[in-house]
Amino acid sequence: KNQVEQSPQSLIILEGKNCTLQCNYTVSPFSNLRWYKQDTGRGPVSLTIMTFSENTKSNGRYTATLDADTKQSSLHITASQLSDSASYICVVSASTDKLIFGTGTRLQVFP
Amino acid sequence: KAGVTQTPRYLIKTRGQQVTLSCSPISGHRSVSWYQQTPGQGLQFLFEYFSETQRNKGNFPGRFSGRQFSNSRSEMNVSTLELGDSALYLCASSLVGGSFGSGELFFGEGSRLTVL
Repeated sequence: KNQVEQSPQSLIILEGKNCTLQCNYTVSPFSNLRWYKQDTGRGPVSLTIMTFSENTKSNGRYTATLDADTKQSSLHITASQLSDSASYICVVSASTDKLIFGTGTRLQVFP
Repeated sequence: KAGVTQTPRYLIKTRGQQVTLSCSPISGHRSVSWYQQTPGQGLQFLFEYFSETQRNKGNFPGRFSGRQFSNSRSEMNVSTLELGDSALYLCASSLVGGSFGSGELFFGEGSRLTVL
């Protein structure tokens, strides 16, 4: 069964600290993996899209990694800011034209 | 460049009623996909339209339907509303079949539906 699991479910960190969010998937055949940021009450915004051959991709203070062998991805946030408080959703695209969504990690950054 | 526009942003309905939600994609985008988001289930795919044709459909009952017009604008309809239909309904547009493959998805702000 195609599944995407994210951990932790929620996370609280202090402003300026780094954090890493995890995404494990069992999607096959794999096409690409995406990370989205969703502010409360808003639509998701794309952070990165990675294909099978990409190991790392950065978008400002956000760096996503992908290990296609172990089917794991991580999203690392450097020097967190209050505006990073949001839900982060991992989405895996199967080559059969299906998108499988994780349930997200809720990040709260406190001053 | 205007983003994806969804209307209405908020609405309240009662059980048994029906609702129609609208989505205007980014100019030039031909693919529109719809999603239901609830706290317990996360984002779930409803359907995708490309050039007025439904290309893919999620696992939702037939009460959920949609269509796309020649200008790429899309509507989704939910008939005989149930309490469990309360959710944030998001639409996303993409240049070409963005829901699937490597196309970038651009989401709207969503329509928050409450069923009483």
